[in-house]
Amino acid sequence: AAGVIQSPRHLIKEKRETATLKCYPIPRHDTVYWYQQGPGQDPQFLISFYEKMQSDKGSIPDRFSAQQFSDYHSELNMSSLELGDSALYFCASTRVAGVANEQFFGPGTRLTVL
Amino acid sequence: QKEVEQNSGPLSVPEGAIASLNCTYSDRVSQSFFWYRQYSGKSPELIMSIYSNGDKEDGRFTAQLNKASQYVSLLIRDSQPSDSATYLCGRGSSNTGKLIFGQGTTLQVKP
Repeated sequence: AAGVIQSPRHLIKEKRETATLKCYPIPRHDTVYWYQQGPGQDPQFLISFYEKMQSDKGSIPDRFSAQQFSDYHSELNMSSLELGDSALYFCASTRVAGVANEQFFGPGTRLTVL
Repeated sequence: QKEVEQNSGPLSVPEGAIASLNCTYSDRVSQSFFWYRQYSGKSPELIMSIYSNGDKEDGRFTAQLNKASQYVSLLIRDSQPSDSATYLCGRGSSNTGKLIFGQGTTLQVKP
C-alpha cells in the first residue's frame, strides 16, 4: 500500500539559511499534519491543512510557513534557521471521511542546522 | 502537567511475557486515542486506535479505554524482542484531529 512520502530525507543547513520540506500524502487523503520531534522528545504538532486550507496551528515559529497545494501535497518552509530547529520533521496524513483521525506518518526529514 | 502522561520507563519484560503500557489524559472531552510504536530514528507507526470504553483487540495487542478514569492502556501479549521500541500514546483533537502525545514509554523485551 502507498505510504506518505517525504523529501528530502536528510537536510543539512547553516544558520540563517532557508529550508523547504515536502510531503506527499497517501492517495485520497485530504488532510496533512506536520510534527516536529526533537531528540528524546515526543512529536509536537506544528500545523495542519484540510482541503488546502489551514485547519489548525500549534507551536510553529513565525519563521515557518506552510501550505497545501491542489494535488494535496504540502510544503513546510523554514527561514532564518536556528540551531534549535535541528529535529526530525514528520508529515502525517488522514482522510477526514475515513476512520476518525487515524494518521499515518511519513518517514520524516532529519534537519541538521550547523 | 502534560495533557497526556506516560511513564517514560524503561519497562523491561522477558520474552513471551505480557507488557502493559499505561497512559492518562486530562481533557475529558477527548474522544479518540491512539497507540504508536516508534523505533529509534524512525517514524511513528500506528498500532491501535480506540474510541469507545472497553477493550479492543488486534492480534497480540489489546487497547483499553476508561473515559471515566481518563485512562488508556496497551497490552502486548507474547512480547518479542522486536517489540522493543518507544510506545507513544496520543489523543486526537476533537475538532481538527491534531495529535497530542505523551512523552512515550520505552519498552525493552529481553530474550
